Amino acid sequence: QSALTQPASVSGSPGQSITISCTGTSSDVGGSHFVSWYQQHPDKAPKLLIYDIFNRPPGVSNRFSGSKSGNTASLTISGLQDEDEADYYCSSYTSTLTVVFGGGTRLTV
Amino acid sequence: EVQVVESGGGLVQPGGSLRLSCAASGFNFSDYAMTWVRQAPGKALEWVSGIRANGGSTYLADSVKGRFTISRDNSKNTLYLQMKSLTAEDTAIYYCAKGGPDIAIWVFDPWGPGTLVTVSS
Repeated sequence: QSALTQPASVSGSPGQSITISCTGTSSDVGGSHFVSWYQQHPDKAPKLLIYDIFNRPPGVSNRFSGSKSGNTASLTISGLQDEDEADYYCSSYTSTLTVVFGGGTRLTV
Repeated sequence: EVQVVESGGGLVQPGGSLRLSCAASGFNFSDYAMTWVRQAPGKALEWVSGIRANGGSTYLADSVKGRFTISRDNSKNTLYLQMKSLTAEDTAIYYCAKGGPDIAIWVFDPWGPGTLVTVSS
């Protein structure tokens, strides 16, 4: 199972909005409702931001939103803040009953 | 508070074996799928294995199939990962994560702090 494709890096200024893409195939992102996004700060464990394409767990800011179109899922962060600077990973359930992650995107604010 | 904490990592020689444990608390362990995810130094996350809430079904990444075994003891609220035939490519931080209800191995929340496995002679 090949990793999902994410841009290696994105950047934005405080207050701006950015979008991170996550491209897979019809065997994973395109055929699955189970797409998630995770935030990882340096030397910390990842944290769930979005699950089932667009749902936010309790406690996650509504500045984070998810969507999907075809084989590509997207994470949008609005009103960028300094603390948003981190690595972001997408994941998807696959047709072979496994999970695949994206290669990760480094966000610089 | 929902919490998972890994243990059992360390230095192991190539070809060796190691068993990781993950102690869960703050939720009804037997109702939730559980998962192992690893991260090699400076690399992306890699899903390793998942197990259904009742332990009846297990799932493995191709990279570890035949070498790693996931299991759980619902009476002890503990998840395990038995690893054998280890190579340098298995060197990583291994994270345990709580999944969703029953078979939902595709969502990870929360994650443990991780345990480092180093395969080296």
